[in-house]
Amino acid sequence: GQSLEQPSEVTAVEGAIVQINCTYQTSGFYGLSWYQQHDGGAPTFLSYNALDGLEETGRFSSFLSRSDSYGYLLLQELQMKDSASYFCARGSARQLTFGSGTQLTVLP
Amino acid sequence: DGGITQSPKYLFRKEGQNVTLSCEQNLNHDAMYWYRQDPGQGLRLIYYSQIVNDFQKGDIAEGYSVSREKKESFPLTVTSAQKNPTAFYLCASSNPSGGPYEQYFGPGTRLTVT
Repeated sequence: GQSLEQPSEVTAVEGAIVQINCTYQTSGFYGLSWYQQHDGGAPTFLSYNALDGLEETGRFSSFLSRSDSYGYLLLQELQMKDSASYFCARGSARQLTFGSGTQLTVLP
Repeated sequence: DGGITQSPKYLFRKEGQNVTLSCEQNLNHDAMYWYRQDPGQGLRLIYYSQIVNDFQKGDIAEGYSVSREKKESFPLTVTSAQKNPTAFYLCASSNPSGGPYEQYFGPGTRLTVT
């Protein structure tokens, strides 16, 4: 989606920390969601930020700065199973607009 | 177990034929969505419905049609007018009290048109 920008690929080693950034257009913005999708599978919801700050859910955290039109997903203690595509999605009143996704590869 | 089912998983059609993709949910969600995903790309919204007998076009509705006669069901028809129908189609639903931000997805249907 042209209204969101995220890196196309990120590579990290097992046990490391990785941050996936996302910038978005502010028109009609309500909040930022993050989804994970393994190859050939369905996306699964990870987190949603409506307010500025950090939301933590286990090894995953998500951050939003509305003033900077910017958010990120932080993955800690990376595991091989975290290799997947990660999508940020801009929420409006009734729908989500997805970014093009970041392919995360976790190396042993 | 509650969830979303899509059938079939793989679908093959000849060019010029209409094809209908099934999506059923038993999560008691009011809102349902159809997305298209092309290789290496994000999800693009085709249609969405917030209530029975009502639906709205998404970003790429041309060549597609939907119906919402029951809360549980939101079938998508890919018509012969869709110029490039080969793609991975995903159906999702959400609970309106939480907005569209947390969506539950079905396993998807891979459509190949030759």
